[in-house]
Parts: sequence; C-alpha cells; structure tokens
Amino acid sequence: NAGVTQTPKFQVLKTGQSMTLQCAQDMNHEYMSWYRQDPGMGLRLIHYSVGAGITDQGEVPNGYNVSRSTTEDFPLRLLSAAPSQTSVYFCASTGPWGETQYFGPGTRLLVL
Amino acid sequence: TQLLEQSPQFLSIQEGENLTVYCNSSSVFSSLQWYRQEPGEGPVLLVTVVTGGEVKKLKRLTFQFGDARKDSSLHITAAQPGDTGLYLCAGTPGGYQKVTFGIGTKLQVIP
Repeated sequence: NAGVTQTPKFQVLKTGQSMTLQCAQDMNHEYMSWYRQDPGMGLRLIHYSVGAGITDQGEVPNGYNVSRSTTEDFPLRLLSAAPSQTSVYFCASTGPWGETQYFGPGTRLLVL
Repeated sequence: TQLLEQSPQFLSIQEGENLTVYCNSSSVFSSLQWYRQEPGEGPVLLVTVVTGGEVKKLKRLTFQFGDARKDSSLHITAAQPGDTGLYLCAGTPGGYQKVTFGIGTKLQVIP
C-alpha cells in the first residue's frame, strides 16, 4: 500500500497561473480532504469529499476548485494563483470510522 | 467553528526532561486525535481518544482525554531528541464531520 500520494512535491508559480495538485489514495476510503498549512495558522480545511461525485467547501475554499470522479483521486485546482496561496498543501484520506486521517507528504507551493 | 487551543506553541527542553502539552476547547468532541509531524512530511497519527477520562500510553507518551471531552493532554516522560517535532491535536465532532486542528506545539529536545 502506498497510502496517500501527492504530486508535485514542490512548485513555483507566477501570479495568475493555474495548476492542479494531484492526490491519490489506495485504501478505498470514501472521505478525502485538502488542507493548507501556514505558520501560526495550523491546518485549515480547503475542500473535502465524502465520496465520488460529492464535494463540499471547508474553511478556506476561495481560489480553489476540486472534483472527485473516482474514489482514488481528489485533485485540487488553483484557478489563478495569488501570493496568498503560498503554502504547504496536504491531502488526507479518512479511515472508515471517521477518526483517523492519513496524510500525504505535502506539496510546497510558492507563488511569486 | 469549533476551536482547539494548544499550549505551549513552542517548547525547547533538555534530553531527559518531562513535558506536558495541552489542547483545550469550549466545545465537546466525540473523539480527539494527536498527530506528530516532522519537517517536510505530513502529520502521522499517534493516538485517538474517545471516552471522557480515557488515558492511553504509547511508550513514554501518555495521552489523556478530559472527563467532559473538551480537552486533552500529552505528557512525555524523559524526552529524547527523537521526540522533536510538531505535535498537533485534532478534534472530531462526530462521524465524518469536519475535523478541527490546533495550531500545534513545536517541540525541540536538545541532546
């Protein structure tokens, strides 16, 4: 089992560019989430999905889109990157009892 | 929004010392998790506590869930350099509802 994988590990974007952060899990979990982690702010929920075809907004959804066409994949799209989106992004997959989250290794994004 | 306050935010201690990290909220959680995160990696679950008053031990780490299920503590005995990292608490209101994370406690254990 690979668990939760994320690509890319690092990315530098210019303001206004768009990109997709990839996330995949092989644990057959229904619930997946995207977080951003910033100094002094902790982990903040961006979007989450309770299953294929179902997504919802978290605490800080503006500027981000998600889709969930399969159970395994949950990509996060930045529509028009802004310096405020410089952060470390984590994808997580939640176990069957809704308590344990398994995190990917993160994507470090710098927007210039 | 349910908030989780962690204290202290930073802790630097000598190897062999004991320490306690606190996680407090005004809200009730059905369960609370503690994660440890090392630089450049994602958080990794240490323990989940679900019953008020519950105490769980993981080697030199002792986790306690408050009786009212609003707070938790993590106690490390005889800290070692390998304990260095960011410790995060996270509360689950119930089922698949949105999890709330604390800001974290950054621990440095000096040899």
